[in-house]
Amino acid sequence: GAVVSQHPSWVICKSGTSVKIECRSLDFQATTMFWYRQFPKQSLMLMATSNEGSKATYEQGVEKDKFLINHASLTLSTLTVTSAHPEDSSFYICSARGGTGGEQYFGPGTRLTVT
Amino acid sequence: QKEVEQNSGPLSVPEGAIASLNCTYSDRVSQSFFWYRQYSGKSPELIMSIYSNGDKEDGRFTAQLNKASQYVSLLIRDSQPSDSATYLCAGRAGAGGFKTIFGAGTRLFVKA
Repeated sequence: GAVVSQHPSWVICKSGTSVKIECRSLDFQATTMFWYRQFPKQSLMLMATSNEGSKATYEQGVEKDKFLINHASLTLSTLTVTSAHPEDSSFYICSARGGTGGEQYFGPGTRLTVT
Repeated sequence: QKEVEQNSGPLSVPEGAIASLNCTYSDRVSQSFFWYRQYSGKSPELIMSIYSNGDKEDGRFTAQLNKASQYVSLLIRDSQPSDSATYLCAGRAGAGGFKTIFGAGTRLFVKA
């Protein structure tokens, strides 16, 4: 299957600071990228969908000014958590889709802890 | 009705048995379906996709799709302890099947 990387794999930050997470599709062009959040023992929650060169579409209840998404190229999308708070601590996973198969592949995830 | 519905489990099977995982979906979900495996603390991994009615086999895995009953299943033959994970069923929804909707997942335990 296709490979999607995420960086960093884990990050600890102080409350009030911002954190940027990168998502890259390594061997295919991702026309669409998705950002999910997952709390322990809960299912994936879609936060937003982005197409290369367009503004991201956010799911209901997700603050677009807090979770900034940039999809600058067909292989890179970034999620910036601004003014992070402890309740933002979670497992953030990106996913990319491209090609004719339309299958969606996940990055390894980023575990964010806000102290 | 949830768009993609799964029994949360846990489903417990002995090693070597067949594990059967089931999923139903609503009218909003379109014709493309996927099964993902997620180990604890890891991200989901795509294991099967199925687009048309019938069975699709890949190694020990068989996905089954029944559009009339709006039902998707995943069979795991010769289950191994390493198959113990949460299995997520997903389908496409939205205009042009743009969005992927995930079920909450079924936890599978394979006992050695």
